[in-house]
Amino acid sequence: DSGVTQTPKHLITATGQRVTLRCSPRSGDLSVYWYQQSLDQGLQFLIQYYNGEERAKGNILERFSAQQFPDLHSELNLSSLELGDSALYFCASSVGPSGGETQYFGPGTRLLVL
Amino acid sequence: GNSVTQMEGPVTLSEEAFLTINCTYTATGYPSLFWYVQYPGEGLQLLLKATKADDKGSNKGFEATYRKETTSFHLEKGSVQVSDSAVYFCALSAAGSGGSNYKLTFGKGTLLTVNP
Repeated sequence: DSGVTQTPKHLITATGQRVTLRCSPRSGDLSVYWYQQSLDQGLQFLIQYYNGEERAKGNILERFSAQQFPDLHSELNLSSLELGDSALYFCASSVGPSGGETQYFGPGTRLLVL
Repeated sequence: GNSVTQMEGPVTLSEEAFLTINCTYTATGYPSLFWYVQYPGEGLQLLLKATKADDKGSNKGFEATYRKETTSFHLEKGSVQVSDSAVYFCALSAAGSGGSNYKLTFGKGTLLTVNP
């Protein structure tokens, strides 16, 4: 158990809909990272927040957004969903702001868009 | 940009066989290198890491040496067990194009199956 929690574990929705994925980092960690894992793209970094502020951006679509709240939990919002957004979404956390630190991954949320 | 190339799987071995999973990288500057493992139905776990050239990371019988001259970080284990069956990801952490904001770049993963 990494100490990182993600909800829900599974999500099934329809094209055009909007969903919110939630992540709680390990106690004491200030950084939260979001990744997308799909069969064709592999594991892709989406975005990082550190202590409430956006720190780094990766291959995140404009239809996706994230935020980190004062209690340090984070939410990833996916809107106008398309079939190709079906993937496993991971959250990870680390102590400091650098992506070079050890990151601890949650169990993931599996999203299926029908 | 930064990239990681690891050997395509799947790799199927018998218990107690020797394992090598090749990983090479392209990066600006001096990256840190990692191996993560993903067991079925779980998230990724850090297996080992190395932060500078010639460093050897090791954990649970797995080893990898940071080779700057060949830009490689091959994963090895002398005797695999059935419980090692998982997907293994090589990754690097280096600055992005702006010179800041280090982030992880992953290889595509190698599925290892160990048969009894």
